[in-house]
Amino acid sequence: GAGVSQSPRYKVAKRGQDVALRCDPISGHVSLFWYQQALGQGPEFLTYFQNEAQLDKSGLPSDRFFAERPEGSVSTLKIQRTQQEDSAVYLCASSPPGGKNTGELFFGEGSRLTVL
Amino acid sequence: QKEVEQNSGPLSVPEGAIASLNCTYSDRGSQSFFWYRQYSGKSPELIMSIYSNGDKEDGRFTAQLNKASQYVSLLIRDSQPSDSATYLCAVKGRITNAGKSTFGDGTTLTVKP
Repeated sequence: GAGVSQSPRYKVAKRGQDVALRCDPISGHVSLFWYQQALGQGPEFLTYFQNEAQLDKSGLPSDRFFAERPEGSVSTLKIQRTQQEDSAVYLCASSPPGGKNTGELFFGEGSRLTVL
Repeated sequence: QKEVEQNSGPLSVPEGAIASLNCTYSDRGSQSFFWYRQYSGKSPELIMSIYSNGDKEDGRFTAQLNKASQYVSLLIRDSQPSDSATYLCAVKGRITNAGKSTFGDGTTLTVKP
């Protein structure tokens, strides 16, 4: 497809389970971002890749959160030993190469995680 | 204090009116500014980007930037019920493509028929 694709769209996990969320960015977009959005709040930055390099992971809330993009395209956000406070929508966005419209983000539909 | 501040609203305007949405930011080094629209249950969608002081118009939307006042706004002319959504202001620090955008918590707009 032409847009950013995320899966699964919905995930219910029991507290303590590990989850993996996948993002397939727009073809040709070298930059990929993960955001976390709680209800009623704006997206909060988690981490950022340029190609396969993870250039900023300052927003990851704990060492239970891990992201990778080994071949510079598809990315996976992994959350280990999920807690109830991890319940949120996880948004993936990609951004085109530098030029006229630098920094514009194109979001996927998100993965809604509910931890019971 | 959040890095990007928006009035949470809700902002209610009648159909056909002008809706004015405001945003302030704390980082004076910010170079790139964006407005995203987010419908309930959906993901954010880019509607405007602005990089230099002044106004930028695109159809019914006008973005205004004042770096000295650290202020960016979005005007929606001839508001339609389909414009009812949450509008997110986002700010990025450098002019290059590298680096994160920081979002405000959004202003919820309701356009009443």
